[in-house]
Parts: sequence; C-alpha cells; structure tokens
Amino acid sequence: GAVVSQHPSWVICKSGTSVKIECRSLDFQATTMFWYRQFPKQSLMLMATSNEGSKATYEQGVEKDKFLINHASLTLSTLTVTSAHPEDSSFYICSATENTEAFFGQGTRLTVV
Amino acid sequence: QKEVEQNSGPLSVPEGAIASLNCTYSDRGSQSFFWYRQYSGKSPELIMSIYSNGDKEDGRFTAQLNKASQYVSLLIRDSQPSDSATYLCAVNPSRHWASYDKVIFGPGTSLSVIP
Repeated sequence: GAVVSQHPSWVICKSGTSVKIECRSLDFQATTMFWYRQFPKQSLMLMATSNEGSKATYEQGVEKDKFLINHASLTLSTLTVTSAHPEDSSFYICSATENTEAFFGQGTRLTVV
Repeated sequence: QKEVEQNSGPLSVPEGAIASLNCTYSDRGSQSFFWYRQYSGKSPELIMSIYSNGDKEDGRFTAQLNKASQYVSLLIRDSQPSDSATYLCAVNPSRHWASYDKVIFGPGTSLSVIP
C-alpha cells in the first residue's frame, strides 16, 4: 500500500508553546489529507480535512485558530497546535487516500507539560 | 444515533478459534467499508476494504457486507495472539465508491486472543 510518513513520532512541549506536525505522502500525491486526534482508549476523531491549495475544513467543535493546517503541496500537510495546553495532549494521526483506501501516518504523541 | 457502531468488547477468543467482529452503520447510501487494525500506541493499519454485498476473503480474514441490513463484519480464522488489537470499522458515506470524502470510524472492538 501507499506510504504516509508523519513526523515527529513524539514531542513534549511546554504549555503555551506551539508544535508543528508534518504529514507526507511518500509515493503518491494527495490533494486531500485528514487529521485525527485520539485520546486513550477512545476512537479516532476527525479534526479537519486538509485541502491542497485551499483552506482546511474543520469539524464542529475544533478551533481553527488553535489547530492551524497548511497543505502547501500535493505531498505535504502540516498541523500546528498553537499555544498548547495540557488538555491538548493526545495522539495526532494524519491520513491520505490512494485509490479510495486511506493510509495513515505513524502518529504523533503530543505531551504538553 | 452514532453513525458507525461496534461492540467495544473486549472480545476474548482462544488461539485457533474464529473471531467475529461486527459493525453497523446509519447512512444507508454508504458505498465503501473498511476494517482497520490498531495496536496500542500505533496508528491504524488497513486490513480489508469491501464495496459489494457478500464476502471478501484475504488470507485468514473475511469481510462480509450486507447493505440492506447496514451491517459489516470481519471474521478472523485461526486467531493468533498477534491478532490481539483494536479493530476499527470505517465507512465512507460518499455516494460514489471512487469518491473519497471522509471516513467515519466506529469506536473499535478490542480483541484479545488467548494462547
């Protein structure tokens, strides 16, 4: 299957700082990428849809000013968690689709202290 | 009503047995259905996709789809301890199977295969 690479795999940051997470499709182009968040023992929750060359589409309840998404090329989308707080600590996962099937990045474990 | 529902489990089966995982969905027009496996602390991994009514087999895995009943299942034959994971059912509500909108995930079923 297609390969989606996500970086970093884990990050610890201080409260009030910003963290950027990258998601790359390595062997295919992705006009659309998706960002999910997963809290322990819970299912994946879609945060936003990242569209190449245009604004991201956010799910209800997700603060667009806090979770900045940029999809500048067909192989790269970034999620920036701004002014992070401990409650933002979670597992963030991106995905991209090839031939109708979704493939996921490795995930980023964010811990805000 | 949740869009995709699964029994949360945990489901425990002995090694070598058949594990049966079930999923129902609410959007009758959905066309694409997926099963993902997620190990603890890891991201989901696609196991099976199914688009037509009936069965689809891949190795020890068989996906079953019944659109009239809005029901998808995954059977794992000859279950192994390495199959112990959370299994996520996912549905693409797009009206056209080749059009990817966004996938809706169920809450997942935790499977434990006992040696």
